[in-house]
Amino acid sequence: DTGVSQNPRHKITKRGQNVTFRCDPISEHNRLYWYRQTLGQGPEFLTYFQNEAQLEKSRLLSDRFSAERPKGSFSTLEIQRTEQGDSAMYLCASSFGPLVDTQYFGPGTRLTVL
Amino acid sequence: DAKTTQPNSMESNEEEPVHLPCNHSTISGTDYIHWYRQLPSQGPEYVIHGLTSNVNNRMASLAIAEDRKSSTLILHRATLRDAAVYYCILKPNFGNEKLTFGTGTRLTIIP
Repeated sequence: DTGVSQNPRHKITKRGQNVTFRCDPISEHNRLYWYRQTLGQGPEFLTYFQNEAQLEKSRLLSDRFSAERPKGSFSTLEIQRTEQGDSAMYLCASSFGPLVDTQYFGPGTRLTVL
Repeated sequence: DAKTTQPNSMESNEEEPVHLPCNHSTISGTDYIHWYRQLPSQGPEYVIHGLTSNVNNRMASLAIAEDRKSSTLILHRATLRDAAVYYCILKPNFGNEKLTFGTGTRLTIIP
């Protein structure tokens, strides 16, 4: 257990529905990252926050995806109008940064879109 | 981002040392070499990182070639719990916060 928690651990939804995932980072970490991982591939970066500011977004993060970190603590990742191609593991990580930038990952949320 | 090349898979016997190679011929002077591993059904886990000198920690050792174009992660005595996908990642010290994962090396430990 790295101290990063994600909920839910599994989510099954029907195409077209909206889903929201939550990530609680290690409490003193000011940086929070979201990644997506499909079967057989390494994780792909989606976005990252420093405190409450979203500083970088990947081109993978389409208009249907939105992430927030309202008080610089927990974060949510929402996917609107889910598609079957959104099925993946969504991973959250946090780090103290910038001089100590080891990222600590949560267990992930596995999304299955039917 | 500079690219790394790793073998898709490797096998090793339990209780023997394991040497996991990584090639990164286009590494720049500010790139650190990071290794993470991902155990089955878990998120990635930090293993070790270095810049130029060899590094040791409780999990592993990192040997970096003198020209920095390759590196080797060394597990001194593999156990079944070391079976995982190992990722070699180049990351600049500043200005690029994300980790860029490849497909890594799947390490199988034979009892």
